[in-house]
Parts: sequence; C-alpha cells; structure tokens
Amino acid sequence: GAGVSQSPSNKVTEKGKDVELRCDPISGHTALYWYRQSLGQGLEFLIYFQGNSAPDKSGLPSDRFSAERTGGSVSTLTIQRTQQEDSAVYLCASSFRDRDTGELFFGEGSRLTVL
Amino acid sequence: AQSVTQLDSQVPVFEEAPVELRCNYSSSVSVYLFWYVQYPNQGLQLLLKYLSGSTLVESINGFEAEFNKSQTSFHLRKPSVHISDTAEYFCAVRGQGADGLTFGKGTHLIIQP
Repeated sequence: GAGVSQSPSNKVTEKGKDVELRCDPISGHTALYWYRQSLGQGLEFLIYFQGNSAPDKSGLPSDRFSAERTGGSVSTLTIQRTQQEDSAVYLCASSFRDRDTGELFFGEGSRLTVL
Repeated sequence: AQSVTQLDSQVPVFEEAPVELRCNYSSSVSVYLFWYVQYPNQGLQLLLKYLSGSTLVESINGFEAEFNKSQTSFHLRKPSVHISDTAEYFCAVRGQGADGLTFGKGTHLIIQP
C-alpha cells in the first residue's frame, strides 16, 4: 500500500518480555517518527530519524526503549523487559523533510498490552 | 520549544449543533499549526493546517480554524456537526525550522443524536 504500515497491529505480552514493533514508512519519506499514545496522555514523542543523521532520542522514556532505522527506510522500536506502564498504542509517522509543510503521515499503530 | 494546550478532554454536543474545540499554544518562534483527527480504531489524519497567509483555514468536511497570533490560539469550529464527526481531535504545533510536531492531549468530540 501507499501508506505507513505498522506491525503487529496488536501485541499482548507478559511483563518482563521484550517486544519489537515495526514501521514501514511511505516510500521516499526521509523523516520517521515514533509516538506513544496512552489513554488521557495524548501523543508523546519518542524518537525521530532524519536521513543518515543521528536520531533525536530525547523522548525515549527509559533505556529499555531503543529504535533503529535500517537503510533509511524500515524502523524497529524495541522495548526490553516490558512493564505494565508500557501498555499503549505506538504510532509511527513519516514525512518529507525538505518540504516545509510539517505534515506527518501516520500508521494505524501497534497496540501493546503488557500483562 | 513549543507546547500545546487543549483544555477540553471531552466535548459532548448534539447532532447539527455548532462546536468549538479549543487549542492554545506557546512558542518562542513562529509556528505552523495543525489539527489532526483520529476516528475510532484508525490512525491520525490531517484535518487542516495553517502555514502562512490567510489566518482562516478550512477542511473539506466543513471544519475551519482561525490562527490568532495575539491570543496564541488555533480553535477548531464547525457550524453543524454530524454523527460521523465523532472522533478524537488533536491540535499540533511545529516551530519554523524545527522538525516534528508537538501535540496536545486531544479532545474527544462526542456527538449525541
């Protein structure tokens, strides 16, 4: 498809397990973002990738969270030793960096439930 | 840095009534402003945006928002809502020259028949 694709759409895991969430951005988009959406908390910025530059990791809540972007395209968000407070919808978005509109295109998200 | 405040977490309104969803922002630089909508079980979609020019911007489905620099606001309005407008609405800001968007906490618009 032409949109941002995320997988899995739903993930249920046990506390202490590691999880990987995948994002496939729109082809040609150089910028990729991860946000976390928790009930009543809105969208919380996690990490931002732009081309080959070092990522902006300022939003990652702890060192259990990490993300990679391989070949300037697909990204994986990894949460190690999951905790119940990690339960949320993780949203990925992509955009053109050099078009100064600021519009982000979002995937449908990966809903993570930690039991 | 920028911040966005959406004062109302929920707004219930009757069908065909007008609605206003409030958004205020703070920024030390000039900004671009956005409203995104999230329908149930879907991702966020851009509803409308202000980049420059006319301070009143409109969407294709009847929503409009007005950029008010003196009041640092970008309230979203619709003169007559429909059941299908039930969704979560997020206001967002981006500082000029910055990357990414800062979002408000969202307002859940609930349309009552």
